[in-house]
Amino acid sequence: EAGVTQFPSHSVIEKGQTVTLRCDPISGHDNLYWYRRVMGKEIKFLLHFVKESKQDESGMPNNRFLAERTGGTYSTLKVQPAELEDSGVYFCASSQVRFKQFFGPGTRLTVL
Amino acid sequence: KQEVTQIPAALSVPEGENLVLNCSFTDSAIYNLQWFRQDPGKGLTSLLLIQSSQREQTSGRLNASLDKSSGRSTLYIAASQPGDSATYLCAVRDNAGNMLTFGGGTRLMVKP
Repeated sequence: EAGVTQFPSHSVIEKGQTVTLRCDPISGHDNLYWYRRVMGKEIKFLLHFVKESKQDESGMPNNRFLAERTGGTYSTLKVQPAELEDSGVYFCASSQVRFKQFFGPGTRLTVL
Repeated sequence: KQEVTQIPAALSVPEGENLVLNCSFTDSAIYNLQWFRQDPGKGLTSLLLIQSSQREQTSGRLNASLDKSSGRSTLYIAASQPGDSATYLCAVRDNAGNMLTFGGGTRLMVKP
């Protein structure tokens, strides 16, 4: 069974540019989560999808972040425009109902 | 608001030692608790998940215990090996939501 995959693995962009991160959950997992870890801090929750619906987006830092999950399959997280403080590692996870969450390898975002 | 703390932040031990990693959380109304392992530059690998009704879970040389009333969990690693070197993360899921709240992690180094 394939795990959670994320693309790209690493992205380096200039401040003010736009970046789109992609997450492919484990097949059959309706629940998809985004988390991130910025330098020196704990991993923090961003948002939670159930199928294509946003169940909880209380962790989204501001309106420069837009997450979508069209068709309830893969998800994208767009940062527009990117700021220096957005640098960090963005993780995606998926699960069935309220079971164990399986994490992807993460996307390391560097904003210069 | 749930807060998760892990002590120690870093630990270095000689190979063969038994060791204990600690995790504490402020709100005892949890649904479950997960221990993860993260290798440098990699994603999170789930090690053990303890439901709130359980006291412990075991997998090989790993044993995780949960004392919900006191807000504590420990991860016991028996006969440590250099391959156990990694960052160990504790995360709790509250009853109220689906997100995981993470601790800062314990960076473990096992020296040959």
